[in-house]
Amino acid sequence: NAGVMQNPRHLVRRRGQEARLRCSPMKGHSHVYWYRQLPEEGLKFMVYLQKENIIDESGMPKERFSAEFPKEGPSILRIQQVVRGDSAAYFCASSPPGLGSVGYTFGSGTRLTVV
Amino acid sequence: SQQGEEDPQALSIQEGENATMNCSYKTSINNLQWYRQNSGRGLVHLILIRSNEREKHSGRLRVTLDTSKKSSSLLITASRAADTASYFCATEGNNRLAFGKGNQVVVIP
Repeated sequence: NAGVMQNPRHLVRRRGQEARLRCSPMKGHSHVYWYRQLPEEGLKFMVYLQKENIIDESGMPKERFSAEFPKEGPSILRIQQVVRGDSAAYFCASSPPGLGSVGYTFGSGTRLTVV
Repeated sequence: SQQGEEDPQALSIQEGENATMNCSYKTSINNLQWYRQNSGRGLVHLILIRSNEREKHSGRLRVTLDTSKKSSSLLITASRAADTASYFCATEGNNRLAFGKGNQVVVIP
């Protein structure tokens, strides 16, 4: 079991470009959570998804950010028209149904740098 | 919303000493969790303590929880250089974790 896989590990984008971050949950995990970590800060919740459903996106900015977790394939966090303030580490966690954060496994994160 | 908040101090200790970190939160919780993050890496789950527990041990880790004061502490005994990391507490609510800002611990060999 490879754990939660995130790619790329590092991503550099120019202002105005799009960033796509991928997260493959652990085998058997159908719940995915995205968190953002700014420098010297703790992680902040962004969005909670199950297969083909967004359960809670209350932590995600209303503009430029979107997330999906299709029936097949990884979960994608998409940031359009990136700005310098989007530079952060983005972490994905997955869990099996019914356990919530008790069953969390975190990925190693994607570090986005906007130049 | 629930929010774990650590004492915002960095700790620098000698190998073999104990390290203690504190965390406070604002609302009722189901459980409180501690995570470790090595520089530039992901989070590793260390220990979970439920709201009806007062103390829990795991190896060299000891966690206490005082729900009346809405606070928790993490003690690392007999620290090692490999314990150098940032440590975060997190509280759970509404299918999400609320993290504090973290405590950076440096263990000097």
